[in-house]
Amino acid sequence: QVQLVQSGGEVKKPGASVRVSCKTSGYTFTDYGITWVRQAPGQRLEWMAWISAYNGDTKSAHHLQARVSLTTDTSTNTAFMDLRGLRSDDSAIYYCARAPTLGDAGHFDPWGQGTPVTVSS
Amino acid sequence: QSVLSQPPSVSGAPGQRVTISCTGSSSNIGAGYDVHWYQQLPGTAPRLLIYGKSHRPSGVPDRFSGSKSGTSASLAITGLQAEDEAEYYCQSYDSSLSGYYVFGTGTKVTVL
Repeated sequence: QVQLVQSGGEVKKPGASVRVSCKTSGYTFTDYGITWVRQAPGQRLEWMAWISAYNGDTKSAHHLQARVSLTTDTSTNTAFMDLRGLRSDDSAIYYCARAPTLGDAGHFDPWGQGTPVTVSS
Repeated sequence: QSVLSQPPSVSGAPGQRVTISCTGSSSNIGAGYDVHWYQQLPGTAPRLLIYGKSHRPSGVPDRFSGSKSGTSASLAITGLQAEDEAEYYCQSYDSSLSGYYVFGTGTKVTVL
């Protein structure tokens, strides 16, 4: 079955960077994209960014595009999200999900289990 | 970047029908982009509930259905059950700027 398994929780200091990985299985990795969504404690889902596993094209939310980088490793069917310049309001659970190949209209399914990231001095 | 608007909460007794609205704009729902719905149980990752024109992934009961009209969409839950108590989010695509995905503000469904 299709599965997305994310890396473990992280605790970082303000100004640091974090990398979250998302290892996929059960489908042809390059037939889809991967999207990243985060959820601060008690808050709504916030779309962050998307990458095509086919050609590496990316899209990101305007307010994050200067700090977020997405990559994929097609040899291990794994996607990575790097977030730089961490601030306390970046503390959230970060989810990856399988997404459309072309970064256009479509849904996200399935989702990874989530990776908690805490930013604290 | 815009957000889709949902009511913060809806409630109903077991067996009742509840609906959740999702209001967008001319650059997302009104532009014809599909609306998808997710259910998030406490402490768990979201799961896809409805996609496209009211399609349900395998395992989702037919008590859940979706509809869309103009710049809005709705999720209906008929025969409400205790296990339906969760947070529900709509999601679509917005063609403004360079294009991006957009979520709703979320609705908490309480089973009385």
